[in-house]
Amino acid sequence: ETGVTQSPTHLIKTRGQQVTLRCSSQSGHNTVSWYQQALGQGPQFIFQYYREEENGRGNFPPRFSGLQFPNYSSELNVNALELDDSALYLCASTPGLGEGELFFGEGSRLTVL
Amino acid sequence: QKEVEQDPGPLSVPEGAIVSLNCTYSNSAFQYFMWYRQYSRKGPELLMYTYSSGNKEDGRFTAQVDKSSKYISLFIRDSQPSDSATYLCAMHTGGFKTIFGAGTRLFVKA
Repeated sequence: ETGVTQSPTHLIKTRGQQVTLRCSSQSGHNTVSWYQQALGQGPQFIFQYYREEENGRGNFPPRFSGLQFPNYSSELNVNALELDDSALYLCASTPGLGEGELFFGEGSRLTVL
Repeated sequence: QKEVEQDPGPLSVPEGAIVSLNCTYSNSAFQYFMWYRQYSRKGPELLMYTYSSGNKEDGRFTAQVDKSSKYISLFIRDSQPSDSATYLCAMHTGGFKTIFGAGTRLFVKA
């Protein structure tokens, strides 16, 4: 069974640029959630995708957007990067809606200069 | 006020000690309560998952939920250096969003 994989693991961008982060969900999981974890903080919910549709969204501006593909993999896009966007971005998959346990990848660490 | 409050520590204990980690919360609609462990440069992994009030034990780990006080705890018995990590409490209502505490950094000294 393949776990959640994320790419890239690290990246550096400058303010105003755009970034795309990718996630492959665990085999058999059709729900993907994205979280932002700032240094020294807990993960904060960005949004969730279920069967290619956004199922819920946290308190993040529209410049944070996402996609889910038919194979349940997902992308997180962030436009007009700001310094405060520097964080670890975590992707988590679950077998279905409302399933409590989140299976996390190792994250993509974004630094915005 | 944050929905979930957790002391960030750090907490340093000697090997073999009993560790107590705690969180308080404000939303009475939370029904599912979890503890995740996060090693440095890794994603969180689930340790304990409980529904509503009560205790749950799994090996050296015991999770307690007191909904009347809006208080949850994780106890680690016979702590080991390999338990050194950040422990995140988390909870949700059964919907799409899991709310995490800030995490407590634990160091177990050999």
